[in-house]
Amino acid sequence: DQQVKQNSPSLSVQEGRISILNCDYTNSMFDYFLWYKKYPAEGPTFLISISSIKDKNEDGRFTVFLNKSAKHLSLHIVPSQPGDSAVYFCAASALTMNYGGSQGNLIFGKGTKLSVKP
Amino acid sequence: SQTIHQWPATLVQPVGSPLSLECTVEGTSNPNLYWYRQAAGRGLQLLFYSVGIGQISSEVPQNLSASRPQDRQFILSSKKLLLSDSGFYLCAWMRFGRPNSPLHFGNGTRLTVT
Repeated sequence: DQQVKQNSPSLSVQEGRISILNCDYTNSMFDYFLWYKKYPAEGPTFLISISSIKDKNEDGRFTVFLNKSAKHLSLHIVPSQPGDSAVYFCAASALTMNYGGSQGNLIFGKGTKLSVKP
Repeated sequence: SQTIHQWPATLVQPVGSPLSLECTVEGTSNPNLYWYRQAAGRGLQLLFYSVGIGQISSEVPQNLSASRPQDRQFILSSKKLLLSDSGFYLCAWMRFGRPNSPLHFGNGTRLTVT
């Protein structure tokens, strides 16, 4: 049962344009959402997060939007740069949900590979 | 600042051989520690989790085991590797007592079982 879904395995965008990465979730108990960026042969690095009490969080070129009624979040990258080319993982957690032996552990989507073309 | 070290970076092992991957965290005390695996097309799968020395929770029953002999040391082991154990293994930490906060990952170990 996949609780966090990234339905687009890949996305290609022109440099300077907007990249929009999408993520859907099924568990209404999730209250914290994160995006990670991963280059090949490296561990994921934390990008940005959002709490369920907000619907938008911005950090430089990265903005995360949360639509709780639709159980959907998205990551916007503006403007996109070739160095943004990587796999992006969406993740979610819930303080009230016991996963992996404790509460608040992260559940990840399968990732979306973003390619930004010069 | 906190850092996480994971080694080796790559490993090629024959089927049936043992495995030991090590992870250490610096700059924080009593972190929550995690082992994840990234298999092709399957995203990040949580394998083991630990909130303290000697405490291990297993999320997925399998051929692997984990141990936490010291506060900031986390070890992933196997007595006999299977072909299906191939993958990219990631150690991660989170601040103790701070659920709903980011996980911080090491650079991973690429394991190929032949």
